[in-house]
Amino acid sequence: DVKVTQSSRYLVKRTGEKVFLECVQDMDHENMFWYRQDPGLGLRLIYFSYDVKMKEKGDIPEGYSVSREKKERFSLILESASTNQTSMYLCASSLTIINSPLHFGNGTRLTVT
Amino acid sequence: EDQVTQSPEALRLQEGESSSLNCSYTVSGLRGLFWYRQDPGKGPEFLFTLYSAGEEKEKERLKATLTKKESFLHITAPKPEDSATYLCAVSNQAGTALIFGKGTTLSVSS
Repeated sequence: DVKVTQSSRYLVKRTGEKVFLECVQDMDHENMFWYRQDPGLGLRLIYFSYDVKMKEKGDIPEGYSVSREKKERFSLILESASTNQTSMYLCASSLTIINSPLHFGNGTRLTVT
Repeated sequence: EDQVTQSPEALRLQEGESSSLNCSYTVSGLRGLFWYRQDPGKGPEFLFTLYSAGEEKEKERLKATLTKKESFLHITAPKPEDSATYLCAVSNQAGTALIFGKGTTLSVSS
């Protein structure tokens, strides 16, 4: 089974802090994704990566950046955390971009105060 | 614009009371439709992929079907452990990333 591991289940950060969310997958998947999930808004794509050092903006990239230095690891960076970035962050990986199911981690619940 | 709409938003059933969840989609060139289950505090768990109209997939008490405009997730004789949020997502012709609906939260009481 594919395992996607997110480094933290819960994080509390202060406004203006730089925040790193880490994600590791163990199935040699080419593609990795970062979503945020908010009540009433569903899952929204922040960024995705289809190869090492490659990245593409999703629907809501503002205020975020990503890093993929190794195939198995995809990091989401909040350059200067704000309260409206309080959310559940979900990392996922897939074998191919088209028609492969996403395999999700268990999420990081980030609170920015 | 590609869009996925799930209904109802919430559904309460008694144990054993069968029902269906709906996922309607407007997408340019459907490549695949995906169903996920999400338990509170956890990431979505993949259930099924459907690729073409008329296709059906089954897993235990769940059966997913697909037409040209919508998909149904039929739940037969549900149990309390089927309580979860069920998410639908589609892959379009551009194939960049999945487009998700907002989900249906199912509660099954004994």
